[in-house]
Amino acid sequence: KNQVEQSPQSLIILEGKNCTLQCNYTVSPFSNLRWYKQDTGRGPVSLTIMTFSENTKSNGRYTATLDADTKQSSLHITASQLSDSASYICVVSADSGGGADGLTFGKGTHLIIQP
Amino acid sequence: NAGVTQTPKFQVLKTGQSMTLQCAQDMNHEYMSWYRQDPGMGLRLIHYSVGAGITDQGEVPNGYNVSRSTTEDFPLRLLSAAPSQTSVYFCASSYSKWSETEQFFGPGTRLTVL
Repeated sequence: KNQVEQSPQSLIILEGKNCTLQCNYTVSPFSNLRWYKQDTGRGPVSLTIMTFSENTKSNGRYTATLDADTKQSSLHITASQLSDSASYICVVSADSGGGADGLTFGKGTHLIIQP
Repeated sequence: NAGVTQTPKFQVLKTGQSMTLQCAQDMNHEYMSWYRQDPGMGLRLIHYSVGAGITDQGEVPNGYNVSRSTTEDFPLRLLSAAPSQTSVYFCASSYSKWSETEQFFGPGTRLTVL
């Protein structure tokens, strides 16, 4: 069964510090991996989408990495800001299998930035 | 360009009542889907549609009905609400097959069933 595991479940850091969120997956055949940011009370918003051949992708202060061999991804946030407080969801897409739409969602990491 | 819109934002129902959650998109996307999000769980697919007139079940379809008469609209119907359907519901759309393109999510509907 396809699975996506995220760690940590929750994280509290001080404003201005860096942090890294982890995503491990067992999804096959792999198509792409996405990171979403979900603010409290809002819908998820896409940060990055990475295919098999991409190792790193950046979106401002967000940098995602992908190791397709070990089936691991990370999302690194640089110089955190209060607006980074949110849940971050890892979603892995399969060419077949997974959910009916081919997507397997992680449970998310809840990040709190303290002033 | 409003993206994906959902109404209502909040709703309280009594057990046994029925209601329709509305979802609309103005991006001319063929693919639309409904998810529910519960505490401590990932988003779970309820129903999806690959185009007008075509719908199919997702992971947790029981108690829900959908139709897709136009490209823009994809309403979700709760036939007889139960407390287990208390959740936050998200509608999403994408240009083509989910595994290939970005999904755009609506702002969500928070539903409480008493």
